[in-house]
Amino acid sequence: DAKTTQPPSMDCAEGRAANLPCNHSTISGNEYVYWYRQIHSQGPQYIIHGLKNNETNEMASLIITEDRKSSTLILPHATLRDTAVYYCIVRVGGGATNKLIFGTGTLLAVQP
Amino acid sequence: NAGVMQNPRHLVRRRGQEARLRCSPMKGHSHVYWYRQLPEEGLKFMVYLQKENIIDESGMPKERFSAEFPKEGPSILRIQQVVRGDSAAYFCATNRGAPKETQYFGPGTRLLVL
Repeated sequence: DAKTTQPPSMDCAEGRAANLPCNHSTISGNEYVYWYRQIHSQGPQYIIHGLKNNETNEMASLIITEDRKSSTLILPHATLRDTAVYYCIVRVGGGATNKLIFGTGTLLAVQP
Repeated sequence: NAGVMQNPRHLVRRRGQEARLRCSPMKGHSHVYWYRQLPEEGLKFMVYLQKENIIDESGMPKERFSAEFPKEGPSILRIQQVVRGDSAAYFCATNRGAPKETQYFGPGTRLLVL
């Protein structure tokens, strides 16, 4: 699975959009980009995933560049409860094992 | 996280004792993944099981750790003769196993070895 690079921390004002970047320059054509978050030692929570098209759900939007070497997770209106560590993960969709390889993530601190 | 159950949520053991951690998948899920998170670190994959089969145990320590997922009942991660370095949060995730399918995590078990 390809490695990802994320900034260690970011701040965001409550009510504003939070844009979390992720670099995955060695991503392969069959690898998906997944985002999870972990709120203060709780179990990781799935947010969104995509292959090459931009995706949106009730939690967030995922923007993947055309060359697929980077992506951005967008939380449109951050709240204090969005303070968490956000993990960007790339993995092959399927195969003998579907294990997730977590990096160190980005600690997003939403400020009042 | 809704639906994946783990128990106990907190477990305290003395060195040399055994720890048993249980994971009950979401309804309809038959694939279980165990991850360990040491203090101040990210999650690390340990083992991937289907019902009655270990598919990938590449992340399991070679000694003292074992996992099973019987035909009936929860998946169990067993740690024999625990040491202080085993203190960590242990998370399981489950899915139906189809390609590209998302894994959904439980709330974790926090193991403290005294």
